[in-house]
Amino acid sequence: AIWMTQSPSLLSASTGDRVTISCRMSQGISSYLAWYQQKPGKAPELLIYAASTLQSGVPSRFSGSGSGTDFTLTISCLQSEDFATYYCQQYYSFPWTFGQGTKVEIK
Amino acid sequence: QVQLQESGPGLVKPSETLSLTCTVSGGSISSYYWSWIRQPPGKGLEWIGYIYYSGSTNYNPSLKSRVTISVDTSKNQFSLKLSSVTAADTAVYYCARTSWVLSGPRYYYMDVWGKGTTVTVSS
Repeated sequence: AIWMTQSPSLLSASTGDRVTISCRMSQGISSYLAWYQQKPGKAPELLIYAASTLQSGVPSRFSGSGSGTDFTLTISCLQSEDFATYYCQQYYSFPWTFGQGTKVEIK
Repeated sequence: QVQLQESGPGLVKPSETLSLTCTVSGGSISSYYWSWIRQPPGKGLEWIGYIYYSGSTNYNPSLKSRVTISVDTSKNQFSLKLSSVTAADTAVYYCARTSWVLSGPRYYYMDVWGKGTTVTVSS
């Protein structure tokens, strides 16, 4: 199985900040990566797929980059509704696996 | 738009079989993969497996010996069975539609999720 290291596990930030979340793979996965946002008590929601393609309806302040083993999710200007937990997921090989999650909290 | 709804018992006894159904509304179950994902209390997400509408499956090896996913296209439903459950199987269980990029490499993504259903394993 492919191991994923997501960092940081907790990120304290303020509204308006630019935040970056990292996801590192134990082996190269090309661009077979998606990012999800999950709010408490809710199902995850797709933000980005194919490492950098923004899902329809997702605000443009979200962006994804990377290929191979290192990936990044960036929120350019954090809004109040963005405080949530973020997960990366690889689709390169089975079993599909998720990162441990990054909780973005209010500073 | 397409919506998914999980249903099934919220309490299952240890050693018994957990059975959940996901009903797809607002669209056809055809031409997509359909996944089950779970999330233990306070923990991260774990992909359980998927089924293609034609019936082909792929399971997480960590659960493969206990998992069966099936599809009923006539009812627009797919189902999860997890046998010999223990307290470690207590989780919120989600169903999700799995799509893929139509041109070029097959980049998958889970774009529609159910709200999730909580299953507790306890006697």
